[in-house]
Amino acid sequence: DAGVIQSPRHEVTEMGQEVTLRCKPISGHDYLFWYRQTMMRGLELLIYFNNNVPIDDSGMPEDRFSAKMPNASFSTLKIQPSEPRDSAVYFCASSASGRSTYNEQFFGPGTRLTVL
Amino acid sequence: KNQVEQSPQSLIILEGKNCTLQCNYTVSPFSNLRWYKQDTGRGPVSLTIMTFSENTKSNGRYTATLDADTKQSSLHITASQLSDSASYICVVSLNTGFQKLVFGTGTRLLVSP
Repeated sequence: DAGVIQSPRHEVTEMGQEVTLRCKPISGHDYLFWYRQTMMRGLELLIYFNNNVPIDDSGMPEDRFSAKMPNASFSTLKIQPSEPRDSAVYFCASSASGRSTYNEQFFGPGTRLTVL
Repeated sequence: KNQVEQSPQSLIILEGKNCTLQCNYTVSPFSNLRWYKQDTGRGPVSLTIMTFSENTKSNGRYTATLDADTKQSSLHITASQLSDSASYICVVSLNTGFQKLVFGTGTRLLVSP
């Protein structure tokens, strides 16, 4: 299995531009998570999906952020318009319910976003 | 408020030496505690997962302990190697049906030759 795949790995953009981050979860996993990691705040959950349906988006910082999961193998996180304070590493993770009591989450390599 | 605190924030040790990282948590309802290793430029990878009834778990040279009474955990690394240089993140899972994770800010370990 290729693991969780994210693209792009690095993104540099100017303030005000739209940014789209992409994620392909592990095949067969029914949960997908989007996290943001900064030095100051560590890892924070932004939103998670179960069976392609958004369940909890309370971590999404503001209306500039949106996420979609049109099918079981693809999700996007969009920031429009982007701001310098959005600069962070964004991780996608997936897990499979029912496989164990731990529901272990597997993380992708992340997308490092820099907004100038 | 659910919180996970780790110490030290950073640590430098010589190759071959042992070290112990600490984690204190105030999380309820508790489900399990995980230690993740995060190499620079990569996503976190799970090292150990412990439930309430487990007080120690090993994964090679990594040994995690859990004291559910004092709400403390430690990660002990034996005979450190250069490849152990990474951030180590303590994560507590809430027992809320869906297992929401509460992350510590991590300990950055540098193993020096």
